[in-house]
Amino acid sequence: DAGVIQSPRHEVTEMGQEVTLRCKPISGHDYLFWYRQTMMRGLELLIYFNNNVPIDDSGMPEDRFSAKMPNASFSTLKIQPSEPRDSAVYFCASSLQAYYGYTFGSGTRLTVV
Amino acid sequence: EDKVVQSPLSLVVHEGDTVTLNCSYEVTNFRSLLWYKQEKKAPTFLFMLTSSGIEKKSGRLSSILDKKELFSILNITATQTGDSAVYLCAVLRGGGADGLTFGKGTHLIIQP
Repeated sequence: DAGVIQSPRHEVTEMGQEVTLRCKPISGHDYLFWYRQTMMRGLELLIYFNNNVPIDDSGMPEDRFSAKMPNASFSTLKIQPSEPRDSAVYFCASSLQAYYGYTFGSGTRLTVV
Repeated sequence: EDKVVQSPLSLVVHEGDTVTLNCSYEVTNFRSLLWYKQEKKAPTFLFMLTSSGIEKKSGRLSSILDKKELFSILNITATQTGDSAVYLCAVLRGGGADGLTFGKGTHLIIQP
């Protein structure tokens, strides 16, 4: 199993540009989570999906952030327009069932200049 | 609001020492507590603790949960430089997958 796959690994973009982060969960995992990690706030849950349906997006910072999961093997997190304070490492994670430990992807390091 | 507090925030010890990392939590409808190790990239899973007083062990690492006092400890014996990492504690609530709530982590540095 290739694990959770995220792309790109690094993204540098200018303020105001649209950014799309991608995630492929482990096959068969019903839950997919998007987290953001910064030095100040640590790991924060942004949104999670169960069977491709968004369940809780209360962690999404503002309307500039959106996430989709069109099928069981793909999810995107989009920021439009991006701002420098969005600079962080964004992790995707998946799990088999609700009460299992998660497997994290390698993350996307986003820098907005 | 759920809280997960880890201590110390950072720790520097010498190779061979034993370390104890702490995690206290306040969460409604607690189900499990998890420990992760994060080196340069993604957090990797170490332990999941659901029952109080039962030690989980993997090599030189062990962990235990106290649901009455609402804390957990992670012990590492005979530390090695490869144990240098950020150790993250997270709690999982029952009643559905609400996502893990993480502490800020303990940054552990093992000096040769």
